[in-house]
Amino acid sequence: KAGVTQTPRYLIKTRGQQVTLSCSPISGHRSVSWYQQTPGQGLQFLFEYFSETQRNKGNFPGRFSGRQFSNSRSEMNVSTLELGDSALYLCASSLISSGVGPDTQYFGPGTRLTVL
Amino acid sequence: SQQGEEDPQALSIQEGENATMNCSYKTSINNLQWYRQNSGRGLVHLILIRSNEREKHSGRLRVTLDTSKKSSSLLITASRAADTASYFCATAALLQGAQKLVFGQGTRLTINP
Repeated sequence: KAGVTQTPRYLIKTRGQQVTLSCSPISGHRSVSWYQQTPGQGLQFLFEYFSETQRNKGNFPGRFSGRQFSNSRSEMNVSTLELGDSALYLCASSLISSGVGPDTQYFGPGTRLTVL
Repeated sequence: SQQGEEDPQALSIQEGENATMNCSYKTSINNLQWYRQNSGRGLVHLILIRSNEREKHSGRLRVTLDTSKKSSSLLITASRAADTASYFCATAALLQGAQKLVFGQGTRLTINP
């Protein structure tokens, strides 16, 4: 099976712009989660989607949003970019989202976003 | 503060030695997971241990879980240069009304040839 893919791999934007990142989960996986990784804050959970519905959300401002399509592919959008949004954005898919605790996450290679 | 905190933050050992990393957490958990990340790349899942398990093995990896002490350890035996990476523990718990997976800050492991 193909792994989790993320596009684009690298992105350079300027402050005030918006950006859309894409994630294709492993075939058959219905849960997709997004994380932001920075040297200072580490890995932080953004949100999780399951069957096109947002199930969980982290503590990020409303500028960060996402969605999931019927084929489980997911996108996240960041509007009005700030310098502090520069980070590695990781997408992870999971076979189930059982409600008794997140299961094994399969991560993509990430999108490195640089905001100038 | 972080739900999961790892110790040490950095570890440097000689090839062939064993490496032990520890993870402590604050709340009750459903499971605890360990991941590896090579520099600037995605995370790779290593082991998942459920709250009712005490020890799991996978190849050269051994994970223990002590729910009474709210701690876990990852042991890598007979280390190799290819084990150089950052290792993260992640706790799956009910937080703020939702099931979440919260990652620690990680341990940076360097294996010297």
